[in-house]
Amino acid sequence: NAGVTQTPKFQVLKTGQSMTLQCAQDMNHNSMYWYRQDPGMGLRLIYYSASEGTTDKGEVPNGYNVSRLNKREFSLRLESAAPSQTSVYFCASRAGTGGYNEQFFGPGTRLTVL
Amino acid sequence: DAKTTQPPSMDCAEGRAANLPCNHSTISGNEYVYWYRQIHSQGPQYIIHGLKNNETNEMASLIITEDRKSSTLILPHATLRDTAVYYCIVSVSSGNTPLVFGKGTRLSVIA
Repeated sequence: NAGVTQTPKFQVLKTGQSMTLQCAQDMNHNSMYWYRQDPGMGLRLIYYSASEGTTDKGEVPNGYNVSRLNKREFSLRLESAAPSQTSVYFCASRAGTGGYNEQFFGPGTRLTVL
Repeated sequence: DAKTTQPPSMDCAEGRAANLPCNHSTISGNEYVYWYRQIHSQGPQYIIHGLKNNETNEMASLIITEDRKSSTLILPHATLRDTAVYYCIVSVSSGNTPLVFGKGTRLSVIA
């Protein structure tokens, strides 16, 4: 099992460019999440998908859109990148059923917006 | 979700126990205490969780006070590989509730 995978690992964009960050999990999890982490800070939730076909805003959704393509894949799109979106982006997944279950994280995508 | 308070940084000698405190004085009855760690900008990794009883697994022990207003994560024999940022999170047990991360405690294990 690869767990949670993210592509790309690194990306440099110019202000105003668009891009999509890809995330996939092979654990048959229902719930998926996108976080961003700025230097010296904790993770902040951007969007999440509790189950296939649903998405909800997190703490910092402005400037982002998401798509739950299927149960495995959850993408994050920046339509018009801004320097304030320079960050490390982490995708995570969780079984999402029953009581507590562990949240698994991907390795992150390091994005720089010039 | 209840808010947590952790010291920003701590040092620990290699081989000694590392005791990481967390205050969560506004915790509700249905909220669990979770601990995650993040090694060198990798994705966070689950360590342990508990409701009111003390818990132990192969990585660590979790001690929760009787009033549940604070807890301590214990790494019994810290190694250099335990150097990381440790996050204490309080959240309901619902399976898909997003975890809310604070700034955590940066633990430095020193040889």
